[in-house]
Amino acid sequence: DAGVIQSPRHEVTEMGQEVTLRCKPISGHNSLFWYRQTMMRGLELLIYFNNNVPIDDSGMPEDRFSAKMPNASFSTLKIQPSEPRDSAVYFCASSLPPGFRDSENTEAFFGQGTRLTVV
Amino acid sequence: DAKTTQPPSMDCAEGRAANLPCNHSTISGNEYVYWYRQIHSQGPQYIIHGLKNNETNEMASLIITEDRKSSTLILPHATLRDTAVYYCIVRVAMGFQKLVFGTGTRLLVSP
Repeated sequence: DAGVIQSPRHEVTEMGQEVTLRCKPISGHNSLFWYRQTMMRGLELLIYFNNNVPIDDSGMPEDRFSAKMPNASFSTLKIQPSEPRDSAVYFCASSLPPGFRDSENTEAFFGQGTRLTVV
Repeated sequence: DAKTTQPPSMDCAEGRAANLPCNHSTISGNEYVYWYRQIHSQGPQYIIHGLKNNETNEMASLIITEDRKSSTLILPHATLRDTAVYYCIVRVAMGFQKLVFGTGTRLLVSP
């Protein structure tokens, strides 16, 4: 498997434009996470899905942000309209289903991230 | 999930053991200790996790105190490529697995 794939790797856009970030999780993983990383705030969990259903979106900063997971192999994070303060690296991660035994390793695998710059 | 406390930065000489501490005094009985690291410009990478017994894998060893209120990640022979930010995370292993990162420890391995 190629791992978690994010696109684009870099995005530069003007303030007010719509931005869509894409993520393809590892096949067989049914938990998916979106994170944002900035120097000031570190790694912030924005939202996570389980079986394509959003479980916790309390980290989504405001209504300008929305995330979808239409199927098990694809997720999007959309910002509309974008603002300069949205500039950050956005990471997507996926993991195996929660286990029933302590020994099951359900580590999260991260993509390489999308570096977003809003000017 | 329980909060963790880590030193903001540490230095280590190449070839020596790097011992990274983590305090998690409010950990619950069903919470595991996870360690991830993030090398510059890359996504975080899983290292190891444990509940109460010491654990070892090809990357590192994890030592958890008997009262489980603190732990130490050990990189036995640090290399320059181990320079990264190391995150200690405490969370429930089963059920919905929210993974929340703190500020971590920035480890600098020098020649």
